[in-house]
Amino acid sequence: AQSVTQLDSHVSVSEGTPVLLRCNYSSSYSPSLFWYVQHPNKGLQLLLKYTSAATLVKGINGFEAEFKKSETSFHLTKPSAHMSDAAEYFCVVQRAGNNRKLIWGLGTSLAVNP
Amino acid sequence: NAGVTQTPKFQVLKTGQSMTLQCAQDMNHNSMYWYRQDPGMGLRLIYYSASEGTTDKGEVPNGYNVSRLNKREFSLRLESAAPSQTSVYFCASTVRDSGNTIYFGEGSWLTVV
Repeated sequence: AQSVTQLDSHVSVSEGTPVLLRCNYSSSYSPSLFWYVQHPNKGLQLLLKYTSAATLVKGINGFEAEFKKSETSFHLTKPSAHMSDAAEYFCVVQRAGNNRKLIWGLGTSLAVNP
Repeated sequence: NAGVTQTPKFQVLKTGQSMTLQCAQDMNHNSMYWYRQDPGMGLRLIYYSASEGTTDKGEVPNGYNVSRLNKREFSLRLESAAPSQTSVYFCASTVRDSGNTIYFGEGSWLTVV
């Protein structure tokens, strides 16, 4: 069975400081992993995805994530937070290329303080 | 660049009323989906359509029906709305139901009183 755990429901950082949003997964298969972002009252936008190529994945808006198989983690990072990064972030696990089997984390709310 | 368009954005229904959420995509995608998002539960798949002419149940199909009207449009119908269906609904689409990136609409906020 697959599952995904976002370790923090809420993260607060100051503008200009690093962001770390943590995601652990379990999967019996070689998964694909995604991070999506949702701004208030908006839809979901893909930040980045890992699909068994390079383990360090770069996404939009300066975000990146590293797939660590030994730690079953896929943490999202950004060197310097911007006010516009305040949003809800979702880690998603996908079973072997099957979009019907997307497993969503419960989300991490990121607040960015001036 | 419309992408995935959902209507209405906000709706209040009385228990027992019916309504249809409309979704259209202009990206020539084959697969379309309806999700609901509830606090503390993440996104849950209601129904999906892998290609024009086919529809299948997802995790939480009870109380809903869908129609894949053509390749562009995928509607979600609540025949007799219940307060438990108060939620945010997202339509999404992708090129093919085989691992490609999914694109989401901006959501429909539905309240059933």
